[in-house]
Amino acid sequence: GQNIDQPTEMTATEGAIVQINCTYQTSGFNGLFWYQQHAGEAPTFLSYNVLDGLEEKGRFSSFLSRSKGYSYLLLKELQMKDSASYLCAVKDSNYQLIWGAGTKLIIKP
Amino acid sequence: SQTIHQWPATLVQPVGSPLSLECTVEGTSNPNLYWYRQAAGRGLQLLFYSVGIGQISSEVPQNLSASRPQDRQFILSSKKLLLSDSGFYLCAWAGTSDSGELFFGEGSRLTVL
Repeated sequence: GQNIDQPTEMTATEGAIVQINCTYQTSGFNGLFWYQQHAGEAPTFLSYNVLDGLEEKGRFSSFLSRSKGYSYLLLKELQMKDSASYLCAVKDSNYQLIWGAGTKLIIKP
Repeated sequence: SQTIHQWPATLVQPVGSPLSLECTVEGTSNPNLYWYRQAAGRGLQLLFYSVGIGQISSEVPQNLSASRPQDRQFILSSKKLLLSDSGFYLCAWAGTSDSGELFFGEGSRLTVL
């Protein structure tokens, strides 16, 4: 079967750095996405990785290793507004998205 | 610019009642459209997707149905709701960039009592 694993919940301090991991086992790979979802709201697109390496976008960076079936989302200079769930999703060989259950990130002052 | 809207935002329905959620996209033509359901603590579950008018693919057999009467309109329906239909329903369209990331509507919170 296809599976996306990410931690259920993480806690970090305002101003710090946090890394949210995602491991996947899918039938084929055509890209990995990270989305941010605030409570009660729809997900919004953060990043896309299709090749190995690090993609940086402001305070957020996303890393991919296809050989290891692994990605992480790195958030720097954490702000209270970063408190949200972060969803990892992989596009499989049929170009369908397989979603993880999300990681709830709690930021403490 | 492209926008996507869905409604209603919140609804509480009794078991056995009908359902209609509506989604419209503006600023693009012939979009790929999706209906997802999100249950607490679980990943998004794809319910239906559509690549054009009248073309609906069902991913999960259940008492829900979808229709696409117009190019930029996608409707999720049920004739008789079950308790298990409660959840957060999201409509989305696939962007036209190489990654094809999804853009979501505001979401519809359904509670079946």
